[in-house]
Amino acid sequence: DTAVSQTPKYLVTQMGNDKSIKCEQNLGHDTMYWYKQDSKKFLKIMFSYNNKELIINETVPNRFSPKSPDKAHLNLHINSLELGDSAVYFCASSQQPAGSSYEQYFGPGTRLTVT
Amino acid sequence: DQQVKQNSPSLSVQEGRISILNCDYTNSMFDYFLWYKKYPAEGPTFLISISSIKDKNEDGRFTVFLNKSAKHLSLHIVPSQPGDSAVYFCAASIRNTDKLIFGTGTRLQVFP
Repeated sequence: DTAVSQTPKYLVTQMGNDKSIKCEQNLGHDTMYWYKQDSKKFLKIMFSYNNKELIINETVPNRFSPKSPDKAHLNLHINSLELGDSAVYFCASSQQPAGSSYEQYFGPGTRLTVT
Repeated sequence: DQQVKQNSPSLSVQEGRISILNCDYTNSMFDYFLWYKKYPAEGPTFLISISSIKDKNEDGRFTVFLNKSAKHLSLHIVPSQPGDSAVYFCAASIRNTDKLIFGTGTRLQVFP
């Protein structure tokens, strides 16, 4: 019973294409996130949404556009893909405000390769 | 500007012994710290956390120590098991900012 799921798991595409990654959580959490893990293994937050409202946008190029149709889904659309976009993208969710815990639950990741 | 640092990219420990993973941070506004464990081709999994008002938190074989004056935290795993072999990420947060800052991870290998 997957808590945070992402599709696809692997994505290989050419420069200039537009692609989307989907994320769904069945935990009933209010907040969802997108993280990027680059080739140097830095895991860095890109966006967070709380109840479909954008909370964090970490100076990500506007080619990246998150979309939250409901609080259980947060999709990531990327326009005009570039070589530097190659990375593993993780979706996460948490119950915020979380009281004393900031535990976030992560999906399995989507490995994007731009050729 | 790397605010959370894990200076040891890898650590190898014999089964049954103690594993100590270290993490340093620079931002004195951080007030909550977490450790995540990651297996290949999977997402990070929450392991243990500690608030800045504490200096120790224990959960079974896992203990996290926080030294605020040194801006340093460590994760102790005792006894280490082969199933503990994974990449461990340290993360920090400022309360109510809804954002985690991750270190670059330490790959732990526990051998028989």
